[in-house]
Amino acid sequence: AQSVTQPDIHITVSEGASLELRCNYSYGATPYLFWYVQSPGQGLQLLLKYFSGDTLVQGIKGFEAEFKRSQSSFNLRKPSVHWSDAAEYFCAVVRSNDYKLSFGAGTTVTVRA
Amino acid sequence: DAMVIQNPRYQVTQFGKPVTLSCSQTLNHNVMYWYQQKSSQAPKLLFHYYDKDFNNEADTPDNFQSRRPNTSFCFLDIRSPGLGDAAMYLCATSIGPQETQYFGPGTRLLVL
Repeated sequence: AQSVTQPDIHITVSEGASLELRCNYSYGATPYLFWYVQSPGQGLQLLLKYFSGDTLVQGIKGFEAEFKRSQSSFNLRKPSVHWSDAAEYFCAVVRSNDYKLSFGAGTTVTVRA
Repeated sequence: DAMVIQNPRYQVTQFGKPVTLSCSQTLNHNVMYWYQQKSSQAPKLLFHYYDKDFNNEADTPDNFQSRRPNTSFCFLDIRSPGLGDAAMYLCATSIGPQETQYFGPGTRLLVL
């Protein structure tokens, strides 16, 4: 079954530094991939998605992600983080057998001043 | 703005006392989902409606039920909440089954 893996449980980054969150997927064909962000006590907000086409996807809040088929990855990046980027980040893939979202375990991002 | 709305944002109930959580959407999406999310975990799908068709996950306890009286509203009923049901409950919608899901702000349920 299609799934995603987020290898990093927790990342700490300094404000103004760059951020990269890793996501690896298992899927035979071209997957439908998503990144969501969840602030404490809030719902999930869609940052960006990839269905097809340009492999570099731009999202909201200055985030981007790159789909790399050769590495089965869909890593999320931001060149300069803000304190408000402290949150939980989830990578997800739509499963082809039942069209349901399969989430990674999430990566918690802490931003230090 | 079109959106997914959940009420209440916080709900406190007693052990065994039935509780209903509400979700509404102005997106006119065909599919509505209910997820349970426990602390530091990914959301777990409980069930979803594709129009009026109800789809239950195999491991969703019988204690959890859902109703969708019309396109805009969907309810989650917990018949006899246990302490283990304390969690964040997230509603989401999508145009179709494999399309982007849009989430509401969630309802935090506390069981005393």
